Amino acid sequence: QKEVEQDPGPLSVPEGAIVSLNCTYSNSAFQYFMWYRQYSRKGPELLMYTYSSGNKEDGRFTAQVDKSSKYISLLIRDSKLSDSATYLCAMSDDRDDKIIFGKGTRLHILP
Amino acid sequence: KAGVTQTPRYLIKTRGQQVTLSCSPISGHRSVSWYQQTPGQGLQFLFEYFSETQRNKGNFPGRFSGRQFSNSRSEMNVSTLELGDSALYLCATRGGAPSEQFFGPGTRLTVL
Repeated sequence: QKEVEQDPGPLSVPEGAIVSLNCTYSNSAFQYFMWYRQYSRKGPELLMYTYSSGNKEDGRFTAQVDKSSKYISLLIRDSKLSDSATYLCAMSDDRDDKIIFGKGTRLHILP
Repeated sequence: KAGVTQTPRYLIKTRGQQVTLSCSPISGHRSVSWYQQTPGQGLQFLFEYFSETQRNKGNFPGRFSGRQFSNSRSEMNVSTLELGDSALYLCATRGGAPSEQFFGPGTRLTVL
């Protein structure tokens, strides 16, 4: 079983829709949970992070962590054309600071 | 505050050659990590340097090596290039917690 699993997509949704992206993981020691957005031919940019469990909201984006289910998600509300990108989840524990990435989900927002 | 910079942005090499990539971290960041990104394998961790010492290492052959200088700038070297080394090489720097890691724009390496 891979440490982090992420559906590669692509996921196509119309503009204005709500999008839910998610990852599952196997290592219960993970405490840091991050979401990165990567546009074509660019480096990933840090979008949001949470520590331990719970939700975090930033504008149209909400990051959720459910440690009991080993599941994290990123909710995008009122999706815009500019949200078309690859979204990578990443996580790390407190012990050796290694950051493990999912393979990324390609998201297409349709006009 | 300036972001992470990587040079060069694009490289074309032939099999058997070697290549050196450079990464300048965000001011104050002492940790520099290198990743290889390909469409099939996603983002794969190469190694991490902290205060000029390799702190973590991924599962890559010895042809991939790196170093970090006293000013935290880092270089990555790939020797005896193979076609499969064609990828986007990303550098990421960190000030402290894993949640504070920021990526550079990457160097796109093409091996012919």
